[in-house]
Amino acid sequence: EPEVTQTPSHQVTQMGQEVILRCVPISNHLYFYWYRQILGQKVEFLVSFYNNEISEKSEIFDDQFSVERPDGSNFTLKIRSTKLEDSAMYFCASRDFPSEAFFGQGTRLTVV
Amino acid sequence: AQSVTQLDSQVPVFEEAPVELRCNYSSSVSVYLFWYVQYPNQGLQLLLKYLSGSTLVESINGFEAEFNKSQTSFHLRKPSVHISDTAEYFCAVSGQGAQKLVFGQGTRLTINP
Repeated sequence: EPEVTQTPSHQVTQMGQEVILRCVPISNHLYFYWYRQILGQKVEFLVSFYNNEISEKSEIFDDQFSVERPDGSNFTLKIRSTKLEDSAMYFCASRDFPSEAFFGQGTRLTVV
Repeated sequence: AQSVTQLDSQVPVFEEAPVELRCNYSSSVSVYLFWYVQYPNQGLQLLLKYLSGSTLVESINGFEAEFNKSQTSFHLRKPSVHISDTAEYFCAVSGQGAQKLVFGQGTRLTINP
């Protein structure tokens, strides 16, 4: 069964450093998303991506964040100058239409 | 814009008892509805979905949910729970396009033996 793959599973970084979270969506899907889940809280939408551009972003997704689909298979989330409050589980998802979103296992980001 | 309310943050039940996890949504457009399950330290797995057609949808492990448009609800039910059902359950809504999913706050289901 096709699946969304995220790497790494866990990343520890120092405050102020840049991190790149990587995702390989399901190959024939056209819509891609990043969500985050702060420990014990709800799953929050960050950004959606379609046709090589951002289609929607939340207020969380400020200039600190960027997304890219560099090679037609990977979908990355870059967080510049990480802050303590960026510590969370980050989920990538992909979707075909009309259907559900398929989620990866997540990357746990810990900023120290 | 859509929003989802899961009224119960935690639901403790005994094994083999029935359970209902409540989900209400608001939207100005027609919607798709989903229940996702998150087992400890894992990602989000689809449990069941309503896209169109029959308002009663079922999963392979005995859960069912009914889309009630007039009450804007999509409650999740299971007639007899098992210890392995212990997890966090998230209700989600999206508009009828490939729009983002909006999640509720989640309901932690705890099964006691």
